[in-house]
Amino acid sequence: DGGITQSPKYLFRKEGQNVTLSCEQNLNHDAMYWYRQDPGQGLRLIYYSQIVNDFQKGDIAEGYSVSREKKESFPLTVTSAQKNPTAFYLCASSRGGLNEQFFGPGTRLTVL
Amino acid sequence: GEDVEQSLFLSVREGDSSVINCTYTDSSSTYLYWYKQEPGAGLQLLTYIFSNMDMKQDQRLTVLLNKKDKHLSLRIADTQTGDSAIYFCAEGSGNTPLVFGKGTRLSVIA
Repeated sequence: DGGITQSPKYLFRKEGQNVTLSCEQNLNHDAMYWYRQDPGQGLRLIYYSQIVNDFQKGDIAEGYSVSREKKESFPLTVTSAQKNPTAFYLCASSRGGLNEQFFGPGTRLTVL
Repeated sequence: GEDVEQSLFLSVREGDSSVINCTYTDSSSTYLYWYKQEPGAGLQLLTYIFSNMDMKQDQRLTVLLNKKDKHLSLRIADTQTGDSAIYFCAEGSGNTPLVFGKGTRLSVIA
């Protein structure tokens, strides 16, 4: 059963702690993406990766970091430098070329 | 940079047609997409249209594209309460990640 998984669905952290969000896909897609969603803001691109061991900053990369050591995995770390990390985070993937994207179920991060 | 605009809210009665509109600025767009997001979930790809097409129909969904005016619309026939969701328009040229609008929240009144 192919798809994109994100874990956990809900995550709570104390202010000042780094936290890593998981994203895995078994669709054999080359490209993967991370978005942040806030109410009324739509989707904002954080980072994306077109191939293994390479990634590019999106519109709001400050305070975030990523790695792409394997084709199927693209974890996102929210660092303590991110001023307002509470949000809904969405991971997506696409076949070669930056076209139609398939999304995971999302992780809701709450920083207390 | 590229921009995609959508109205934020739409309210319709059950059984009526819904029309969600979108405008975009990138004239090199080759694909235009409609996604649906239900509460607390990820985005689900509903349909897409190539830029050389004017219309695409898929069951209750009709997509219209006016490339000259850079205007895209999604019509949902016989709208049901299960259609209540946020609908995102997105455009892509294949060279950069998709650009998404802010989403239109569709409310269906029984």
